[in-house]
Amino acid sequence: DAGVIQSPRHEVTEMGQEVTLRCKPISGHNSLFWYRQTMMRGLELLIYFNNNVPIDDSGMPEDRFSAKMPNASFSTLKIQPSEPRDSAVYFCASSPSGESPYEQYFGPGTRLTVT
Amino acid sequence: DQQVKQNSPSLSVQEGRISILNCDYTNSMFDYFLWYKKYPAEGPTFLISISSIKDKNEDGRFTVFLNKSAKHLSLHIVPSQPGDSAVYFCAASETGTYKYIFGTGTRLKVLA
Repeated sequence: DAGVIQSPRHEVTEMGQEVTLRCKPISGHNSLFWYRQTMMRGLELLIYFNNNVPIDDSGMPEDRFSAKMPNASFSTLKIQPSEPRDSAVYFCASSPSGESPYEQYFGPGTRLTVT
Repeated sequence: DQQVKQNSPSLSVQEGRISILNCDYTNSMFDYFLWYKKYPAEGPTFLISISSIKDKNEDGRFTVFLNKSAKHLSLHIVPSQPGDSAVYFCAASETGTYKYIFGTGTRLKVLA
């Protein structure tokens, strides 16, 4: 299996621009998670989907952030408009089940820089 | 409020010696704990886990210890190898829930 696939791996954009991050989860996994990693806060859960339905988006920082999962093999995280403080590494992870104790499998991440 | 804390941002250990990484948590409802390892430019990968019904779990060179009364867990790596140099995250959850709470990570450097 190819694992969780994320694109792009790096994104540099100017403040105010729209940014779209993409994720393809592992086939057969019904749970998908978007995380943001920063030095100060570590890995923070942004949003969780189960069977393509958003279950918990309480971690989404502001209305500028939105996420979709139109089908079981694709999800997007969009930031519009982007701001310098959004600069971070964004990870997508999938799991065969949404319930612990299943481990989550992470993609390689997208490093976002907003200037 | 950080429910999972890794108070040591970095740790250096000589090759062949023991590495001990620590993690503290505050939520007494947590009953499942994991350690993830992360290399630069890669996503975190699962390393080892422990349920609260145990106080120790071992997998090769890696052992996780859980002290429920102290709300503390630790990861022991013996013997440490240069390839173990990475950032280690601990995570905690309640069984049956979806949310894993991660610590901020500890960067381990194993010196050859």
